[in-house]
Amino acid sequence: DGGITQSPKYLFRKEGQNVTLSCEQNLNHDAMYWYRQDPGQGLRLIYYSQIVNDFQKGDIAEGYSVSREKKESFPLTVTSAQKNPTAFYLCASKGRTAGVSILDTQYFGPGTRLTVL
Amino acid sequence: SQQGEEDPQALSIQEGENATMNCSYKTSINNLQWYRQNSGRGLVHLILIRSNEREKHSGRLRVTLDTSKKSSSLLITASRAADTASYFCATDAYIQGAQKLVFGQGTRLTINP
Repeated sequence: DGGITQSPKYLFRKEGQNVTLSCEQNLNHDAMYWYRQDPGQGLRLIYYSQIVNDFQKGDIAEGYSVSREKKESFPLTVTSAQKNPTAFYLCASKGRTAGVSILDTQYFGPGTRLTVL
Repeated sequence: SQQGEEDPQALSIQEGENATMNCSYKTSINNLQWYRQNSGRGLVHLILIRSNEREKHSGRLRVTLDTSKKSSSLLITASRAADTASYFCATDAYIQGAQKLVFGQGTRLTINP
């Protein structure tokens, strides 16, 4: 199956601890994105990557870090510097070529719910 | 502030009725997209309308776009209980030198059987 996966589904973090959220896609998409969603709210962009080995800060990058060493993978690390990390995190990808993907459409993973204990 | 703002924030209707959600935005856009989110899940793309289009249909969905008013509407006809979800508009635009999707806060739709 082609798609985008995120793991784990639920993650618990102790204060002061870094955690890494996984995002993998086999859609051959160049662009990948990380969003944060708080209860009853829309999505806010944390980081995005338009190509391997390149990434850019989004609107709320403070306290987060990413890497893009492989096209398929875009892990997000929530660091201890993020003061209020409890949220639902969504990863998405977007293709540049037509085919199975609709251009300009982002395809979302199922999300990771992070809770700080 | 958010590029897209949606109205109403919550909507509750009877099964079989039509549901209309509105979205307003502030800057020029390449396209506007609507997504659906079931509780605790990822977003699913519903429909995309380009800036040079005024109306688009997909099954029971009808989207309109008025670029002069910077607004869009999503109409779901003959609603079903399974349509219960949150619906988000997202504007695709160049912001600070990069193409980004900016999401509204969503409309929470409840279809009562």
